[in-house]
Amino acid sequence: GAVVSQHPSRVICKSGTSVKIECRSLDFQATTMFWYRQFPKQSLMLMATSNEGSKATYEQGVEKDKFLINHASLTLSTLTVASAHPEDSSFYICSARVVGTVYGYTFGSGTRLTVV
Amino acid sequence: KQEVTQIPAALSVPEGENLVLNCSFTDSAIYNLQWFRQDPGKGLTSLLLIQSSQREQTSGRLNASLDKSSGRSTLYIAASQPGDSATYLCAVARFNKFYFGSGTKLNVKP
Repeated sequence: GAVVSQHPSRVICKSGTSVKIECRSLDFQATTMFWYRQFPKQSLMLMATSNEGSKATYEQGVEKDKFLINHASLTLSTLTVASAHPEDSSFYICSARVVGTVYGYTFGSGTRLTVV
Repeated sequence: KQEVTQIPAALSVPEGENLVLNCSFTDSAIYNLQWFRQDPGKGLTSLLLIQSSQREQTSGRLNASLDKSSGRSTLYIAASQPGDSATYLCAVARFNKFYFGSGTKLNVKP
């Protein structure tokens, strides 16, 4: 139970284009979703927190106009990397809070973004 | 600001060895600590979660301990196998946020 499905798993795009990453909670309602980014050989860093139906909260240093987060329903949150550039190439992973379980949070399988 | 450090950064051992991975954190006010496994290009698999009130958790060949006062956790892997090869991440949770270490890359040689 408590599975988050993240798509796509890999994407290669040209510089200047936008890329959308989706995270769906399959068997529970995700009122809160977290988006992380991992650069090579570095740890996962929280980018933003989204609550269903409200604006996302971004961590310091994360450009909200570049990383657009939409959490329009209790089962879907999306991260759009707008006008992607090579420096945006990274591993992006979402996480959802699961109320009522011992683990509390479940993670998607991640998206490897390469901007060429 | 919470900082999480993992040592060693990489570890290579022969199959069958017992090993210990270390994790330290700077702020002891945590909700819980979790150990994850990350395979290349893949997401995270949760291995063990220790609530802030607990001292250790065990699952199969894995045992994780938590000493909140000293800001340390260890992950003990018994009788390592080649299938254990992966990057192991520890993360501390506080106020709905996870703070991750940079991981220990483990290679278990057959």
